[in-house]
Amino acid sequence: EDQVTQSPEALRLQEGESSSLNCSYTVSGLRGLFWYRQDPGKGPEFLFTLYSAGEEKEKERLKATLTKKESFLHITAPKPEDSATYLCAVQAHGNSWGKLQFGAGTQVVVTP
Amino acid sequence: GAGVSQSPSNKVTEKGKDVELRCDPISGHTALYWYRQSLGQGLEFLIYFQGNSAPDKSGLPSDRFSAERTGGSVSTLTIQRTQQEDSAVYLCASNQLAGNTGELFFGEGSRLTVL
Repeated sequence: EDQVTQSPEALRLQEGESSSLNCSYTVSGLRGLFWYRQDPGKGPEFLFTLYSAGEEKEKERLKATLTKKESFLHITAPKPEDSATYLCAVQAHGNSWGKLQFGAGTQVVVTP
Repeated sequence: GAGVSQSPSNKVTEKGKDVELRCDPISGHTALYWYRQSLGQGLEFLIYFQGNSAPDKSGLPSDRFSAERTGGSVSTLTIQRTQQEDSAVYLCASNQLAGNTGELFFGEGSRLTVL
């Protein structure tokens, strides 16, 4: 069974204090790994798709990396507006497009 | 707006009642998805519609749950004889599969509370 585990569950950072979030996964043939950001009371917002080990994607202060067993979301010099819950999800070969297996998320709070 | 629209945003119902949740996808998006997010848990896939193909219902938790999509656009998720464990945020998403990057466009969700 496909499984996604995110750690830590919660992370409190000072503004400018860089850190990394972990997403460990087991899947029967990875089609893609996805990172989403979710603000309170809102739906998730797409950040990145990673397809193969060694791939990296960047967007502003965020950088996502992928290995055969896990993905990291690095937050460099975070700002308070980076406060959100970050969700990781995987899609397996053979599943319907959009049938994603999500982790429980990492809640990030960045204080000024 | 041009995003995915869901209604109602909040619904409180009594155990045993039926509820209907509505989703208006982004215009032109052929694929539509329903997910459920329970407190402290990850999103759980429920059902997927793509064009005129048979929907993927593999995530529906019981036969009390059903969904339809009319005219390839608006979708309704129906929960019959609601139970307290059905309390969750129900999220709808859509996308255009051509050139798919896996990006789903989510609505803000319908929060269901079953008393």
